Amino acid sequence: EAQVTQNPRYLITVTGKKLTVTCSQNMNHEYMSWYRQDPGLGLRQIYYSMNVEVTDKGDVPEGYKVSRKEKRNFPLILESPSPNQTSLYFCASSLRQGGGEAFFGQGTRLTVV
Amino acid sequence: DAKTTQPPSMDCAEGRAANLPCNHSTISGNEYVYWYRQIHSQGPQYIIHGLKNNETNEMASLIITEDRKSSTLILPHATLRDTAVYYCIVSRTSGTYKYIFGTGTRLKVLA
Repeated sequence: EAQVTQNPRYLITVTGKKLTVTCSQNMNHEYMSWYRQDPGLGLRQIYYSMNVEVTDKGDVPEGYKVSRKEKRNFPLILESPSPNQTSLYFCASSLRQGGGEAFFGQGTRLTVV
Repeated sequence: DAKTTQPPSMDCAEGRAANLPCNHSTISGNEYVYWYRQIHSQGPQYIIHGLKNNETNEMASLIITEDRKSSTLILPHATLRDTAVYYCIVSRTSGTYKYIFGTGTRLKVLA
């Protein structure tokens, strides 16, 4: 089954404690990205990757890092989480840029206290 | 990237067609129109996309005006499970891979 898998689904952590949210896709997609969703603000793109070792900032990259060492994985790293990063996070992948369907993961609900 | 404008909410009776409008008056020639929906806090789900011509699949139909400045998503026979937030997005076919999500239309299908 074609899917994007995020882990963990729920996470409560403390300010400053580094964490990684994993994202993996099994569709051999080149394009992957991370979004955060906050009430009243919709989904905003954090980072995206057009291929292995190629990443770029989205609209709200501050406080986040990503890496793309393999095509299937695109982890989101919070080096020093803060309460304003409490949000619902989604990973997405797409076969190619434009003209194609994007698949989204089920989301990771992160709370930073 | 073009921005889209959608009504914040709509109601539709179960079994009737749901017509969700979207304005994208600044759309460029190389931008597609995409529709996604999000049920509760699940990941957005792709519905349909198009460039110029009308499109239909098993889920919905997409009608794009000739000047491409607006479009309508049609769910032909809405069910309670179609209650969701529907997002209309325009995205380029080349260059930066980027979706800009607005706040969408919250569709409520009524029994």
